[in-house]
Amino acid sequence: GNSVTQMEGPVTLSEEAFLTINCTYTATGYPSLFWYVQYPGEGLQLLLKATKADDKGSNKGFEATYRKETTSFHLEKGSVQVSDSAVYFCALSDFLGTSYGKLTFGQGTILTVHP
Amino acid sequence: DADVTQTPRNRITKTGKRIMLECSQTKGHDRMYWYRQDPGLGLRLIYYSFDVKDINKGEISDGYSVSRQAQAKFSLSLESAIPNQTALYFCATSDPSDTQYFGPGTRLTVL
Repeated sequence: GNSVTQMEGPVTLSEEAFLTINCTYTATGYPSLFWYVQYPGEGLQLLLKATKADDKGSNKGFEATYRKETTSFHLEKGSVQVSDSAVYFCALSDFLGTSYGKLTFGQGTILTVHP
Repeated sequence: DADVTQTPRNRITKTGKRIMLECSQTKGHDRMYWYRQDPGLGLRLIYYSFDVKDINKGEISDGYSVSRQAQAKFSLSLESAIPNQTALYFCATSDPSDTQYFGPGTRLTVL
């Protein structure tokens, strides 16, 4: 079956530091890949996505590249801000078989950014 | 106004009580989902519906039931609540590209 593995957290950084959150996946087909962010007290919201190999998703200074050869979709940001403190979820959707129309989520990574 | 709304936002109940969580959406999507979130476990799918006549079990459906009253409404029920159902519950819709849109969540505590 499909699965998503994220680097274990929590991650604590100082403002303006470089961020990487690792995400690897296993899938039976050709999945689309997503990063969702959950700010304190809120629901998840889409941060970025990529639908095919070598695509780069980007939003709000965050980037992630769909790497089929390494089955990875690592999230990066060059300079984090305090307002980026949140929980980040990697997810995939697979259009094949019993996975059709459903997202598989990683366990989430808590990011805390200090001034 | 929010595209996906959930009521109530917080609920405290006792073991054995019947509870209904409601979800409404204004995005016009056919697909709707219910998840629960527990610390360190990410989101787990309870039920999902691809249209009004289509209801499917997710990975953790035991102890839950759902009703799709209309395209815009999808309710989750706990017939007899138990303490290990204490969690944060999210409703979501998705567009044809599988991008999902989440409600703000319902925090449920079962004593």
